[in-house]
Amino acid sequence: SYVLTQPLSVSVAPGKTASITCGGTRIGGKSVHWYQQKPGQAPLLVISYDTDRPSGIPERFSGSNSVSTATLTISRVEAGDEADYYCQVWDSTTDHVVFGGGTKLTVL
Amino acid sequence: EGQLVEVGGGLVKPGGSLGLSCAASGFIFRNAWMSWVRQAPGKGLEWVGRIKSTTEGGTTNYAAPVKGRFTISRDDSKNTLYLQMSSLRIEDTGVYYCTSSLDGDSDAYDVWGQGTMVTVSS
Repeated sequence: SYVLTQPLSVSVAPGKTASITCGGTRIGGKSVHWYQQKPGQAPLLVISYDTDRPSGIPERFSGSNSVSTATLTISRVEAGDEADYYCQVWDSTTDHVVFGGGTKLTVL
Repeated sequence: EGQLVEVGGGLVKPGGSLGLSCAASGFIFRNAWMSWVRQAPGKGLEWVGRIKSTTEGGTTNYAAPVKGRFTISRDDSKNTLYLQMSSLRIEDTGVYYCTSSLDGDSDAYDVWGQGTMVTVSS
């Protein structure tokens, strides 16, 4: 089955840029979606189809996808961005949706 | 905007059964591919399975850990999604979310329920 690999944690100071990676075999050929989840809340879609930002998501959130790594970038990080972030793809081989293990973003 | 509301969680013994339902509003339910995603306590998101729209056959697909034990169904006349769980195991414990995309068959889930807790314990 397809596996997505994320770092367990990323730390960043307020106002700086955070990058969260998502690795997978030939992930560049798939569409990657990113979710933010705060404690006790349902996930929130923050980036779809590698780079698209849903309505209401700040421009500080952006995404990229190339070859074997997709990246969620959060610019000018704020305290309110502290959350768990998950990447997700659809695996055409199995027709299954796959989530990465999640990355805890800590704002120092 | 779409809204999803799950009900039916609770405590069940290992080997038991439990049914969840998810009421949808604010979008054209009959066109939507609907999915269930779960989250064990302190763990990450895990896709459970999906049902296509009825017009596209209403076919289902399940993650390996639940295949043969869980059944996803839908009633378009009631705008409701269901998850019937049987032969429950301790590792099935977690919050169960129903989710979908307002774009119909997309797997970018932009509408989520609040989640319902399922606890499998003796």
